[in-house]
Amino acid sequence: DTGVSQDPRHKITKRGQNVTFRCDPISEHNRLYWYRQTLGQGPEFLTYFQNEAQLEKSRLLSDRFSAERPKGSFSTLEIQRTEQGDSAMYLCASSYLTGSETQYFGPGTRLLVL
Amino acid sequence: ELKVEQNPLFLSMQEGKNYTIYCNYSTTSDRLYWYRQDPGKSLESLFVLLSNGAVKQEGRLMASLDTKARLSTLHITAAVHDLSATYFCAVDNVAGNTGKLIFGQGTTLQVKP
Repeated sequence: DTGVSQDPRHKITKRGQNVTFRCDPISEHNRLYWYRQTLGQGPEFLTYFQNEAQLEKSRLLSDRFSAERPKGSFSTLEIQRTEQGDSAMYLCASSYLTGSETQYFGPGTRLLVL
Repeated sequence: ELKVEQNPLFLSMQEGKNYTIYCNYSTTSDRLYWYRQDPGKSLESLFVLLSNGAVKQEGRLMASLDTKARLSTLHITAAVHDLSATYFCAVDNVAGNTGKLIFGQGTTLQVKP
């Protein structure tokens, strides 16, 4: 078991550009979550998938954000027309649907929008 | 809306001392999690507390849950420098069984030699 992986680990972009992040969950985990963390704060929920279905999106997620999880495996998070306020650490987590629901987090993608 | 509050937000302590971090949450939940985060790193799962009265211990850390008081504590015994990190509690939004976690603000622990 290699854990949750994310790519890229760091991304610097100019305002207005589009960016895409990838998350590979722990194999056989059927739930996948995206969170955003800004400096000095706890992670904030963005969206989650159960298998390939996106079941909830946070009000924080504007129309510029879209996430997919084709075939219930890896997931991508795309941000269109980035803004400086999008600068944050984007964390992916996965879990297996059991009573404990422990979520295992990936290393995160740190985004800086100039 | 479920809210999670931790205190203190910052804790500086000497090695060998004991201290407790508190985590209060606003609505009913039976699942509470503690995570550790080192600077620039991701979150490491420490404890999962699933029922009222649950107590778990790992090394110098012990976590407990009182669902009636909506309170969890993380107790540090005889702190060592390696425990310096930010600790987050998180509560599962049980309604709807989404598994969505609501995190506290975090408690940054600095253990001085």
